[in-house]
Amino acid sequence: GAGVSQSPRYKVAKRGQDVALRCDPISGHVSLFWYQQALGQGPEFLTYFQNEAQLDKSGLPSDRFFAERPEGSVSTLKIQRTQQEDSAVYLCASSSAQGYSNQPQHFGDGTRLSIL
Amino acid sequence: KQEVTQIPAALSVPEGENLVLNCSFTDSAIYNLQWFRQDPGKGLTSLLLIQSSQREQTSGRLNASLDKSSGRSTLYIAASQPGDSATYLCAVRQGGSEKLVFGKGTKLTVNP
Repeated sequence: GAGVSQSPRYKVAKRGQDVALRCDPISGHVSLFWYQQALGQGPEFLTYFQNEAQLDKSGLPSDRFFAERPEGSVSTLKIQRTQQEDSAVYLCASSSAQGYSNQPQHFGDGTRLSIL
Repeated sequence: KQEVTQIPAALSVPEGENLVLNCSFTDSAIYNLQWFRQDPGKGLTSLLLIQSSQREQTSGRLNASLDKSSGRSTLYIAASQPGDSATYLCAVRQGGSEKLVFGKGTKLTVNP
């Protein structure tokens, strides 16, 4: 079956523009995560959804970052008024786990965002 | 705050060598630990997941161990091959949380 799909793979935007990044999780996966990975670093948690509910957004760096998953499947990460420090790879992951369940997170190939 | 450290940052070995990658974490109240592989320009591929109650997990030439009380995990790769060249990331899931906390990774190069 298909894995986690992210689009676009690459996005170049000028500073101050708004961008939207899309994630299609594995079908039936309840949990969805967004991570940000800077060059040479490990991924850092941004936000977590269980179905359509955003249960943890503690990792979002500012109020310019907004994520949604309105129907409990596809998710969009939106960044408003982009700044150069937003340049990174944005990874989406999904999992069949919820609560006390040991299931791995499955990652997409990410969207590489470059802010000029 | 949980911190995950991976040593070494980079490792270069000849083909066929057995090797060990190290991961340490500061808060032992973890729910599980995962090892991932990341190829350049790609996402993460899950290799092994060790539950907090387990001591080790094996998959093919890979063996991961967990010593929760000392805050350490190792990934053992037997008979390394050039195709094993990648960055290996360790991540812990904290008890009471769904998110993963990652180390910075170890970049492995296996030379033919």
